[in-house]
Amino acid sequence: GAVVSQHPSRVICKSGTSVKIECRSLDFQATTMFWYRQFPKQSLMLMATSNEGSKATYEQGVEKDKFLINHASLTLSTLTVTSAHPEDSSFYICSARGGGGNNEQFFGPGTRLTVL
Amino acid sequence: AQKITQTQPGMFVQEKEAVTLDCTYDTSDQSYGLFWYKQPSSGEMIFLIYQGSYDEQNATEGRYSLNFQKARKSANLVISASQLGDSAMYFCAMREGPSRDDKIIFGKGTRLHILP
Repeated sequence: GAVVSQHPSRVICKSGTSVKIECRSLDFQATTMFWYRQFPKQSLMLMATSNEGSKATYEQGVEKDKFLINHASLTLSTLTVTSAHPEDSSFYICSARGGGGNNEQFFGPGTRLTVL
Repeated sequence: AQKITQTQPGMFVQEKEAVTLDCTYDTSDQSYGLFWYKQPSSGEMIFLIYQGSYDEQNATEGRYSLNFQKARKSANLVISASQLGDSAMYFCAMREGPSRDDKIIFGKGTRLHILP
């Protein structure tokens, strides 16, 4: 199947700093990318949907000014957590659609963010 | 209201036995897709199987099969001949609408423990 990578896999930062997470589709062009957040022992919650070259669509309750999403190319989307706080500590997972099978949505390995 | 319901938070099954993980869904769309993903402790989301709402036959992928009962809005995952490596979190998910850009939403998951 198609490969999606995320970088970094783990990040620890101080409260108030900004963190950027990259999501790349390695062997296909991803017209649509999705960002999810998963708290411990909970399900994946969709944060936003991004299409290449256009603004991201955020789910209700997700602060667009806090979670900046950029989908500048067909292989790269970035999520920036601005002014991170301890409550933003979570597992962030991106997924991409656009290559491979007709219906698969390929997931990245996730980024564990810890805000001290 | 929950769109995807997984009623089994946890299950313990003896190795080599078959396992059925329950999933019911709620949608008014005629066209939709149902997915099952496996998430081991490493956090990666592994695609297992897909069933389209118009597919007449139940989907199968190796040891995985999806018991699709459309009238009951049920999409149970069956794992035959379970293995120790099957121990993981399993998520049922749904994409509403015919567009490949439509978002996928997840159930709360079932943690499966395979006993030796």
